[in-house]
Amino acid sequence: QAGLTQPPSVSRGLRQTATLTCTGNRYNVDDQGATWLQHHQGHPPKLLSYRNNSRPSGIAERFSASRSGSTASLTITGLQPEDEADYYCAAWDSSLSGWVFGGGTKLTVL
Amino acid sequence: EVHLLESGGDLVQPGGSLRLSCAASGFTFSNSAMNWGRQAPGKGLEWVSGIRADDGSTYYADSVRGRFTISRDNSKNTVYLQMNSLTAEDTAVYYCAKEGLVFWGHGTLVTVSS
Repeated sequence: QAGLTQPPSVSRGLRQTATLTCTGNRYNVDDQGATWLQHHQGHPPKLLSYRNNSRPSGIAERFSASRSGSTASLTITGLQPEDEADYYCAAWDSSLSGWVFGGGTKLTVL
Repeated sequence: EVHLLESGGDLVQPGGSLRLSCAASGFTFSNSAMNWGRQAPGKGLEWVSGIRADDGSTYYADSVRGRFTISRDNSKNTVYLQMNSLTAEDTAVYYCAKEGLVFWGHGTLVTVSS
């Protein structure tokens, strides 16, 4: 199942801004928008944003998502130690009739 | 409050079968599509299967199609994943997730090994 493309790792300093990217194609990200999940090992994945810019209640405004064509982005401002986690993008793929995931980006807060 | 509780994970031999269950509460289960995802050791998240609420249509990742079967029982607010012909590559924590992947359970561990 063809997946989405994410950089394996990103490192930024405390209180800095990190932008994570996710590249798909016209059948998934461009068509359906991207969903972003935060995953701390040993815990369930947590929704940060769905259909690009929709942030669920309880998620800090520091997390914002956007999309340009087939590339989705998640921007985290004012990085905190607890933001250190794996971040996944996902999208429904209309050609595959299934969800496709990115390989995940490990965010390190220095 | 939404709650998803997976169960049924176990150690199973290659070629064996296992059925996972996910009990849901805190939302109208019969109106919600449900999904199964997994994470193998050292790997990323992977979508496995989904089932619609309206017509019960089912969807599968290529890696499990023909071996896994998803089903639901709206009277029990439960979604199932029947897994057959298991291989070592199926070893993972299996999660169930609500429609749109908006909420995930804590997962259940499936280990395929002799």
